[in-house]
Amino acid sequence: QQQVKQSPQSLIVQKGGIPIINCAYENTAFDYFPWYQQFPGKGPALLIAIRPDVSEKKEGRFTISFNKSAKQFSLHIMDSQPGDSATYFCAASIRRHKLSFGAGTTVTVRA
Amino acid sequence: KAGVTQTPRYLIKTRGQQVTLSCSPISGHRSVSWYQQTPGQGLQFLFEYFSETQRNKGNFPGRFSGRQFSNSRSEMNVSTLELGDSALYLCASSQGSVSGANVLTFGAGSRLTVL
Repeated sequence: QQQVKQSPQSLIVQKGGIPIINCAYENTAFDYFPWYQQFPGKGPALLIAIRPDVSEKKEGRFTISFNKSAKQFSLHIMDSQPGDSATYFCAASIRRHKLSFGAGTTVTVRA
Repeated sequence: KAGVTQTPRYLIKTRGQQVTLSCSPISGHRSVSWYQQTPGQGLQFLFEYFSETQRNKGNFPGRFSGRQFSNSRSEMNVSTLELGDSALYLCASSQGSVSGANVLTFGAGSRLTVL
């Protein structure tokens, strides 16, 4: 069964909007939570990652929020651009080995 | 610095055949992991090799196997192919340190179609 649950399956926003993708996990042994971005015909590429001792991390326009007690984490894409249109995957692992991925969210940013 | 290289990029096989996929990791990376990506099941971990030894294994049948060579290059093999094996097979490499300083870098994948 999926160890990481991701929602929504897809979302559409206008340019400048803030798509938000949510993920939840059960295994409290997970200690590494990366987000990957995948474009058609390409492999996933690491976007940003967080550890459970941090509640928020920003890298450019991408922000991860982490709620350890709720076992949830989310990705916000600030000031989204058409070039951000891609599929986003959250993941979790123990010591960065054997990633368990969410089902993916297809984000479409309309110009 | 060259990225993770996977060959072939596309291949078509028929049921019952076997297939071998190849992965060349980033220079200096000693760990190679394999993932299967399908529309229905998403990204699923197959196995990880480090220093020519399988270090982690996912929940796939024995028809799926792999190996790693002394230069860290890796191959995965699927025998007795089934229609459901049609997928994008992704290879990812990392330094493989047990201390946790690992960032997985994925290749573009090998798209397998089983007819």
